[in-house]
Amino acid sequence: ETGVTQTPRHLVMGMTNKKSLKCEQHLGHNAMYWYKQSAKKPLELMFVYSLEERVENNSVPSRFSPECPNSSHLFLHLHTLQPEDSALYLCASSQVVAVPYEQYFGPGTRLTVT
Amino acid sequence: GENVEQHPSTLSVQEGDSAVIKCTYSDSASNYFPWYKQELGKRPQLIIDIRSNVGEKKDQRIAVTLNKTAKHFSLHITETQPEDSAVYFCAASPAGNTGFQKLVFGTGTRLLVSP
Repeated sequence: ETGVTQTPRHLVMGMTNKKSLKCEQHLGHNAMYWYKQSAKKPLELMFVYSLEERVENNSVPSRFSPECPNSSHLFLHLHTLQPEDSALYLCASSQVVAVPYEQYFGPGTRLTVT
Repeated sequence: GENVEQHPSTLSVQEGDSAVIKCTYSDSASNYFPWYKQELGKRPQLIIDIRSNVGEKKDQRIAVTLNKTAKHFSLHITETQPEDSAVYFCAASPAGNTGFQKLVFGTGTRLLVSP
């Protein structure tokens, strides 16, 4: 598969569950991002990994825990979520270069917290 | 930090008309301004971008203009077609990030092109 893939595409979980979202990029990039997309709100940057090091944590609650084992894979571990965490979670990747460059997005995981 | 405002939130046009979406940003040091298109149920995809050293950029029916003094940038779509119907997001990238792009997005504009 090419580009940026995400699994699962849909996830329903209870507030006491633990689950993980997976993102994989096949573009040779070395920066990866997690975004949250809620209805009628802008895309919110959650975490950034550059060269496998977390460089940005945008005041995200600790119930979201990212992991980047290598430059191609990114995980978002979820536990004790709240209903307001229901949203589309998008992963993106880009190349680390001196000037800003395109971010490639995955298709997202639609998360519903019951 | 950077703040991006986008207007209008919805825009309905007839096929063949032009559409204009406007964004303003707050951080004068921002230096990269991409526009993403997100069709229903699909991923956001870059359609055009502009850097702070350029005032205008065109790609077929799509153009983006940047006014650094006023801190606003706009997306122009000419000869709109029904397949242009989607949500469009503007974004700004504050300067100072080493390598990665910290994009701050607007709230999106839902464009509907009627045949």
